Amino acid sequence: AQSVTQPDIHITVSEGASLELRCNYSYGATPYLFWYVQSPGQGLQLLLKYFSGDTLVQGIKGFEAEFKRSQSSFNLRKPSVHWSDAAEYFCAGNSGNTPLVFGKGTRLSVIA
Amino acid sequence: GAGVSQSPSNKVTEKGKDVELRCDPISGHTALYWYRQSLGQGLEFLIYFQGNSAPDKSGLPSDRFSAERTGGSVSTLTIQRTQQEDSAVYLCASSYKGHSIAEAFFGQGTRLTVV
Repeated sequence: AQSVTQPDIHITVSEGASLELRCNYSYGATPYLFWYVQSPGQGLQLLLKYFSGDTLVQGIKGFEAEFKRSQSSFNLRKPSVHWSDAAEYFCAGNSGNTPLVFGKGTRLSVIA
Repeated sequence: GAGVSQSPSNKVTEKGKDVELRCDPISGHTALYWYRQSLGQGLEFLIYFQGNSAPDKSGLPSDRFSAERTGGSVSTLTIQRTQQEDSAVYLCASSYKGHSIAEAFFGQGTRLTVV
C-alpha cells in the first residue's frame, strides 16, 4: 500500500543546532512529496515540495529536503534551528491520482 | 477569499447528535479535501472532490460520515449520530488542480468534541 512513514515521534534539539527529520515513502512510482509544518493553534503550512528534477529542494524558513530514490527517503533538514521552529512537521505524498497521504508527524522541541 | 475558511472553529455536541462542518475553499480551486486529525495521529484522509467528478469517498470511516460540495465551491461534512471517537480536528484543504499536481492549502480546522 502507498504510505508515508515518519519514524520519529518527537525530537528535541538545541537552538542553533542542525536538524534532520526523517521521512520514508512506499510508492510504486516516483511520488510527489511534501513537507508541511503545523505550529500550535495554526493551520498547516507548506514548507517545500518535490515533483521531479533536482533532488535537493529548497523551501521556506531555511528548510531543505533531499529526495533519495535508493533509500525511499525525503528527509527535511535545517542547518541551524531557531526557537520559533518548534512545531509539528508532517511529510506527505501521493502518486498519480491517489489521495495525499500524510505521515503521523514529528514533534520538534527546541531548547536553549 | 484569501484562504480556506472553516466553520465553526469549535463544536461541542452530545453523543448521538448530528453535526455539520463547513468549508469554504479558495476561490477558483477545483479540488477540495477533508481530513481528520486525532490527538497524536497524523492526518487521516476522509474524502476528496475534484471538479464535477464523482468524489473519492474511500477514506470515510463509516456510513455515518458524508460530505457534499455544492456548486463546485462550499463543502459540508456531516457526521450523523456522533460518537465519542469522532472527537478530533477536521481539516479542509483545497488546491488548484487534482491530488498530485498542486499544493494543498489548509484551513484552520474545526475542533469537534463529542460529550
